[in-house]
Amino acid sequence: DIQMTQSPSTLSVSVGDRVTLTCRASQSIGRWLAWYQQKPGKVPKLVMYKASNLESGVPSRFSGSGSGTEFTLTISSLQPDDFATYYCQQYQTNPWTFGQGTKVEIK
Amino acid sequence: QVQLQESGPGLVKPSETLSLTCSVSGGSITSGSYFWTWIRQPPGKGLEWVGYTYHTGSAYYNPSLKSRLTISVDTSKNQFSLELSSVTAADTAVYYCARDKTRGDAFDLWGQGTMVTVSS
Repeated sequence: DIQMTQSPSTLSVSVGDRVTLTCRASQSIGRWLAWYQQKPGKVPKLVMYKASNLESGVPSRFSGSGSGTEFTLTISSLQPDDFATYYCQQYQTNPWTFGQGTKVEIK
Repeated sequence: QVQLQESGPGLVKPSETLSLTCSVSGGSITSGSYFWTWIRQPPGKGLEWVGYTYHTGSAYYNPSLKSRLTISVDTSKNQFSLELSSVTAADTAVYYCARDKTRGDAFDLWGQGTMVTVSS
């Protein structure tokens, strides 16, 4: 299985901060990577797909980059609604696998 | 628009079979080219892809669960189902059904999830 490793596990930030989350794959996955946002008790929400494609309805302050084994999700100016846990997921090779998540919390 | 809704028992005894159904509304399960998927999340933990089915009935399972898992589709009822046998406490989780943007893509449509607890 392809292992997905996210860093950091927790990020303590303030509203207005620029935030960068990292996801690394144990082998190359091309650009077959998605990012999801999940708030406590809620359903995961797709934020980014194919590494850098913004899902419809997601604010443009979110951007994604990377290919191969290293990927980032950047939030240009963190808003109160962005505090959540973010998961990356590869869908290049079955079984699809998720990272362990990065929790973005209020500093 | 298409919506997904999970249903099934919230409590299952150890060694028994967990059975869940995902009902698809607002569209046909046979239209388009989608993998109809199950994903689970143990309490306080991350997401685990369980497996998917296609409307033709073909299915692909997470190898870690394959020996205990069956995912099937019923096009007449516009729903797909999960059966996980010989459950243990490790199978306690919120189970989500989901659909990808197109076959083999990211998951853009999710059910609200259903909590299943394995306990005697």
